[in-house]
This record gives sequence, structure tokens and C-alpha cells, in this order.
Amino acid sequence: AQKITQTQPGMFVQEKEAVTLDCTYDTSDQSYGLFWYKQPSSGEMIFLIYQGSYDEQNATEGRYSLNFQKARKSANLVISASQLGDSAMYFCAMRENSGGSNYKLTFGKGTLLTVNP
Amino acid sequence: IAGITQAPTSQILAAGRRMTLRCTQDMRHNAMYWYRQDLGLGLRLIHYSNTAGTTGKGEVPDGYSVSRANTDDFPLTLASAVPSQTSVYFCASSDQTGELFFGEGSRLTVL
Repeated sequence: AQKITQTQPGMFVQEKEAVTLDCTYDTSDQSYGLFWYKQPSSGEMIFLIYQGSYDEQNATEGRYSLNFQKARKSANLVISASQLGDSAMYFCAMRENSGGSNYKLTFGKGTLLTVNP
Repeated sequence: IAGITQAPTSQILAAGRRMTLRCTQDMRHNAMYWYRQDLGLGLRLIHYSNTAGTTGKGEVPDGYSVSRANTDDFPLTLASAVPSQTSVYFCASSDQTGELFFGEGSRLTVL
């Protein structure tokens, strides 16, 4: 079974509108972390936002927010007021608590977001 | 601050040749990782190292080896390259939160 599932291979959004990118995860750990990364066409991986499993508030970073629904095991990324520069591949990732300094991240297959003018 | 430096950025390699991808970090992170990125498959972990002197296998370790002689360097070696190892390879390191800091990637083509 996949640990991270991103069900939307591609998404389109109009500039200035909000968009939600879906991510569900599978873990039996009580302590874990969820990450979103952005990969523009230039190829670099850019960290966007982090949510810890014990965080009571949804994480927010500027126009990015993470809609964390622990019971449903979902960690959707919400981008408000989309900009043309938001066009990129977006990856959801999970760090499970394996103890010590083992911080391996498991990635989903990604969602390609296209922002239309 | 350079962060993570990978070399080469791009390489074309004949099948059967040996290749080492270099990775150096200047953030003094204990943990380092190698991922490969393939279209439709996302990023998959090849090998990792929690600290200097230790390494571990990830999801797709076959055909690859790593070493971690010191904190800063984490080279990835393909002993005998095959076409299925054509990919983009990312080196990364992590801090205590687990956030990964990535290099810019190495695009490898095996013919």
C-alpha cells in the first residue's frame, strides 16, 4: 500500500483563485510529520510547509495552508490567490517516527499544477 | 551559503560504466539522503545515512552504493550502470524537524 497518495496527476486553476491539492497518507505511527514541496520547471525542490501530527492548528505559510484532518489521514495543501509562478509540480511527503535521527521522507507521486492567466 | 552541492549536474554514461555522483553539504546536518526522481513515480529513496560512518538502504537500493566517511560528503556510486538507472538524482540533508534540504539534482542518462 502506498504511504502517500496524491490522486490528482494534474490540476488547473485560474489566476487569483484558490486551489486545493489532495494528499492522503497511511501510517500506524502516532508521531509523524507531513511536508509539501514545490518543484518548478527549473527542477529544484522548494520546501513549502510542514505539519506535525501533534500540532493542533493547521500550518500556514503566507498563501499556503495545510488542511490537516488527522482522523481522515489527509493533509491537503491550499494555495490562495494563485499566481502564474505557482505553476509547478507539488509533492506531499511524510516523515514517520522511526526513532533516533532517522528522518526518512516518503513522497507521493506529485500533482502538476497549471495556473491559467 | 551553498547548502547542498551536487556534481555533475548532468552526465551521459555508457551502460556498464562505473559512475559516482558527488554530494557535499555545509550545514553540518547529521542525516543525508539520495533520492531518484522518475516521471509518474515521484521521489524514491535509494540510500540514507543518519550520521557519519553509518548508511542504510532505502526503497530502491539495488545497483547503488554509498559511503559516509565524514559529515559533509555522501557520494552515490553506480558500480555498473544500466539504462533503468536513467533518472534525476537528488541529494538531500535534514535538520531535526526532518525538513529536507535538496541539492539541485544530477541528471543521469545511461545508454
